[in-house]
Amino acid sequence: QQQVKQSPQSLIVQKGGISIINCAYENTAFDYFPWYQQFPGKGPALLIAIRPDVSEKKEGRFTISFNKSAKQFSLHIMDSQPGDSATYFCAASGETSGSRLTFGEGTQLTVNP
Amino acid sequence: DAGVTQSPTHLIKTRGQQVTLRCSPKSGHDTVSWYQQALGQGPQFIFQYYEEEERQRGNFPDRFSGHQFPNYSSELNVNALLLGDSALYLCASSWPLGGYGYTFGSGTRLTVV
Repeated sequence: QQQVKQSPQSLIVQKGGISIINCAYENTAFDYFPWYQQFPGKGPALLIAIRPDVSEKKEGRFTISFNKSAKQFSLHIMDSQPGDSATYFCAASGETSGSRLTFGEGTQLTVNP
Repeated sequence: DAGVTQSPTHLIKTRGQQVTLRCSPKSGHDTVSWYQQALGQGPQFIFQYYEEEERQRGNFPDRFSGHQFPNYSSELNVNALLLGDSALYLCASSWPLGGYGYTFGSGTRLTVV
């Protein structure tokens, strides 16, 4: 059973534009929602994470928006740059799942110059 | 500060063979988790080791086994390899147990022919 659904599968934006990736989860026991960035040949690297007690978290050009009632969260990349071209994964975890990460299927982002 | 180190980086095996993958955690981390990432998919949790014991296990058959050594390094063993085992195997270390501060290695690309 897939517990974290991610969309879109791929995304193409122009340099300077806004990239938006969405995720939905099922398990209400999840209490930690990270986003990972993965470049080809590399492992996932933590980009930004949020807890359900806040609705938004911003770090530089990256913002997570969280809607607890809808069980949805999204990543916004402002002023997208070609260097942001990578695969992005949302994930979720919680104490009841022993802090293991449940990942979405990933979004391949391409930022054109 | 060295991050998570995995070896080998690439491996080709024949169906039915056995394989061992190795992981050295980030300095200061004592918990090691293994994930399988099929091509175009998000990582799937295999199992987690802490204090040389398997603490959690995902939905993987007994052909997948592991070990953690006193220096916190870990091995992933897969027996009776199937074509479907072809994937990128990621090691993630963390501290403390139950925490979310994961650092991923670059993975081992396993191809089963």
